[in-house]
Amino acid sequence: DAKTTQPPSMDCAEGRAANLPCNHSTISGNEYVYWYRQIHSQGPQYIIHGLKNNETNEMASLIITEDRKSSTLILPHATLRDTAVYYCIVRVDNNNDMRFGAGTRLTVKP
Amino acid sequence: SAVISQKPSRDICQRGTSLTIQCQVDSQVTMMFWYRQQPGQSLTLIATANQGSEATYESGFVIDKFPISRPNLTFSTLTVSNMSPEDSSIYLCSATSPVNEKLFFGSGTQLSVL
Repeated sequence: DAKTTQPPSMDCAEGRAANLPCNHSTISGNEYVYWYRQIHSQGPQYIIHGLKNNETNEMASLIITEDRKSSTLILPHATLRDTAVYYCIVRVDNNNDMRFGAGTRLTVKP
Repeated sequence: SAVISQKPSRDICQRGTSLTIQCQVDSQVTMMFWYRQQPGQSLTLIATANQGSEATYESGFVIDKFPISRPNLTFSTLTVSNMSPEDSSIYLCSATSPVNEKLFFGSGTQLSVL
């Protein structure tokens, strides 16, 4: 079973920041937080991951709380092409599988 | 990043037949996995494809129904056997690069069973 909780859906205005929350209250010390997204009819796409520190790349920022029980994915300037289902996943390491929850369906509106 | 190619991209099959889906990665990977995504649902892990040995299946999935092969570090197949309409789903291959912690996905196989 998935170890994360996400809101089922969110809307965001085009050009504004999209902040997607995720709760992972039972996360273990050696588990990473991963974010993926799935645009309709495509395979999931890696966005970002982190362990304890906040992370930023060309796609997004990941903010992890100090107790690591929750995190937020930030898309700084959402575009219509960011409309997708976003999955937050916890995973031990490189040699483990990923268990997907229901995700958050983000709709970016003009 | 690894590039994963899946074939076929889609198929329409008759009840009772079998379909083999191929997954080819453009570089050596450590782990390969097969997922199923039923219409409107999230991804469910079917099994881990182990190189040179039998796959490790998740609860609810059995080898007789979903035989998996992984003859080398870059290739795997999933067969959906004795298909029924309930097997209509997207089947996704994924792999973990030994270089980083990322899991990459193929574009999936859209299977419809009549």
